[in-house]
Amino acid sequence: DADVTQTPRNRITKTGKRIMLECSQTKGHDRMYWYRQDPGLGLQLIYYSFDVKDINKGEISDGYSVSRQAQAKFSLSLESAIPNQTALYFCATSDPRDPRQETQYFGPGTRLLVL
Amino acid sequence: RKEVEQDPGPFNVPEGATVAFNCTYSNSASQSFFWYRQDCRKEPKLLMSVYSSGNEDGRFTAQLNRASQYISLLIRDSKLSDSATYLCVVRITGNQFYFGTGTSLTVIP
Repeated sequence: DADVTQTPRNRITKTGKRIMLECSQTKGHDRMYWYRQDPGLGLQLIYYSFDVKDINKGEISDGYSVSRQAQAKFSLSLESAIPNQTALYFCATSDPRDPRQETQYFGPGTRLLVL
Repeated sequence: RKEVEQDPGPFNVPEGATVAFNCTYSNSASQSFFWYRQDCRKEPKLLMSVYSSGNEDGRFTAQLNRASQYISLLIRDSKLSDSATYLCVVRITGNQFYFGTGTSLTVIP
């Protein structure tokens, strides 16, 4: 089984709808991240969390919110989806205690299309 | 200005060739450096960290030049399976990572 899972894997929604993307991990890592990837722009950090009580904005947090329900779960919400939020979304984890320290482990991604 | 810049390519090379990618970063306070590999429509995976003294992992060699603020990746004896997009990644402070847009490599039989 994958260590970092994302649901759904694909989603089509309409402008103005609220949607939630979910991320779960079995790696026992404290740190979790949400990124979006757009062609030609690379990965951009939306939010990150160093533990359950810690939430931080990344480069492009406007229009998004997150919830860290437990160490293993980190959800990303689009309160009112708009077409320019169409992108590939990745969740990632890391553990500073890991011998490879700053390695980020990514989920398989969620493809979101906002019509 | 982007924190991390890479030549997007594409690089199309024959099997067995040596290919090099460069990446520049803008923040002199950058602390950690990495190369990730991303296959089409898949998640990025760590290829190797980049250390100040340079480091090698099999056919892959990474170099860091802090004075010029660039990172390089050299792939020797290219294999078909090396075809992918290579992402340059920099950590500046805390635990925020900045990704380049990636360099596309296709190894041709």
